[in-house]
Amino acid sequence: GQNIDQPTEMTATEGAIVQINCTYQTSGFNGLFWYQQHAGEAPTFLSYNVLDGLEEKGRFSSFLSRSKGYSYLLLKELQMKDSASYLCAVKDSNYQLIWGAGTKLIIKP
Amino acid sequence: DADVTQTPRNRITKTGKRIMLECSQTKGHDRMYWYRQDPGLGLRLIYYSFDVKDINKGEISDGYSVSRQAQAKFSLSLESAIPNQTALYFCATSDLQTDQETQYFGPGTRLLVL
Repeated sequence: GQNIDQPTEMTATEGAIVQINCTYQTSGFNGLFWYQQHAGEAPTFLSYNVLDGLEEKGRFSSFLSRSKGYSYLLLKELQMKDSASYLCAVKDSNYQLIWGAGTKLIIKP
Repeated sequence: DADVTQTPRNRITKTGKRIMLECSQTKGHDRMYWYRQDPGLGLRLIYYSFDVKDINKGEISDGYSVSRQAQAKFSLSLESAIPNQTALYFCATSDLQTDQETQYFGPGTRLLVL
């Protein structure tokens, strides 16, 4: 079966750095997405990785290792507005997105 | 601003009733999707459509049907609603023309089946 694993919940302090991990076992791989979802709202696109390595976008970076079936999202200089769920999704061999259950990130002052 | 909209935003219905959720987009995207989201679970694909004449079942299509009335409109119907269809429903779109094919989501419809 296909599986995406992420921690259920993480807590971090305002101004700090947090790393959210995602491991996957899917039938094929055609890219990995990270989305942010505030409670009760729509998921919004953060980043996309299809090749190994680090993609940086302002305070957010995403890393991919295809051989390890592993990705992480790194959030720097955390702000209270970063409190949200972060969803990892992998595009499989059929080009369908397989979604993780999401990691709820709680930011404390 | 190009957008994805969903109506209604909230809906309460009774078991056995037929209801329709609607999705419209002004992004000009070919592909449209319907997902449901339940607490503690990932987004699950119900149906998807790659163009007006194309409809495909997703992971959890039983109890649902869809209609792609135009490139910009994709509606989801629950023929006879049951309580375990209570969930948050999202419509999404993507552009076939891009390699990345990021999906863009509507604001969601919160459905409660009593």
